[in-house]
Amino acid sequence: NAGVMQNPRHLVRRRGQEARLRCSPMKGHSHVYWYRQLPEEGLKFMVYLQKENIIDESGMPKERFSAEFPKEGPSILRIQQVVRGDSAAYFCASSPSHEQFFGPGTRLTVL
Amino acid sequence: DAKTTQPPSMDCAEGRAANLPCNHSTISGNEYVYWYRQIHSQGPQYIIHGLKNNETNEMASLIITEDRKSSTLILPHATLRDTAVYYCIVRGGSSNTGKLIFGQGTTLQVKP
Repeated sequence: NAGVMQNPRHLVRRRGQEARLRCSPMKGHSHVYWYRQLPEEGLKFMVYLQKENIIDESGMPKERFSAEFPKEGPSILRIQQVVRGDSAAYFCASSPSHEQFFGPGTRLTVL
Repeated sequence: DAKTTQPPSMDCAEGRAANLPCNHSTISGNEYVYWYRQIHSQGPQYIIHGLKNNETNEMASLIITEDRKSSTLILPHATLRDTAVYYCIVRGGSSNTGKLIFGQGTTLQVKP
């Protein structure tokens, strides 16, 4: 059973461009979480999704950020009009119930 | 979810047991204690979780005090690869499948 997969592993964008981060959960996991880790800071929760539903988006910035977890395919975290402050590591986790299993992360650099 | 308190850093000699403490004095009856770790800049790794009984798996043991106000994660034979930031997180009740709130954790340095 492959682990949580995230791609790309590294993403470079210029200010104002869009960033799309993909997360494929472990087989059989229906819960997906996104977390962000700014440089030299701790992990912060962003959003929790189940298939086709957003359950908790209390950690998501109100503008420019969106997330989805369609019936088929990976979960997508989308950042529109990126700014330098969006540079961070974005981690996805999937869960069957209690424990969350994390992917390797996508490191976004905004120039 | 209850707040947790951990020492910011600890050292451990390679081959010895590493005992990482966590205080969670405001934990409620239906909340679980979870431990994760993050090695360098990798994704966090689940270690173990428990409610009130002590738990053991292939990675570690979790000892929870009888009043549940504190716990200790034990790595029985620490290796250099166990050097990481260790996070103690309390979560549960109706939000067993909810978000994890990461604090600053304990940076464990395993030394040869």
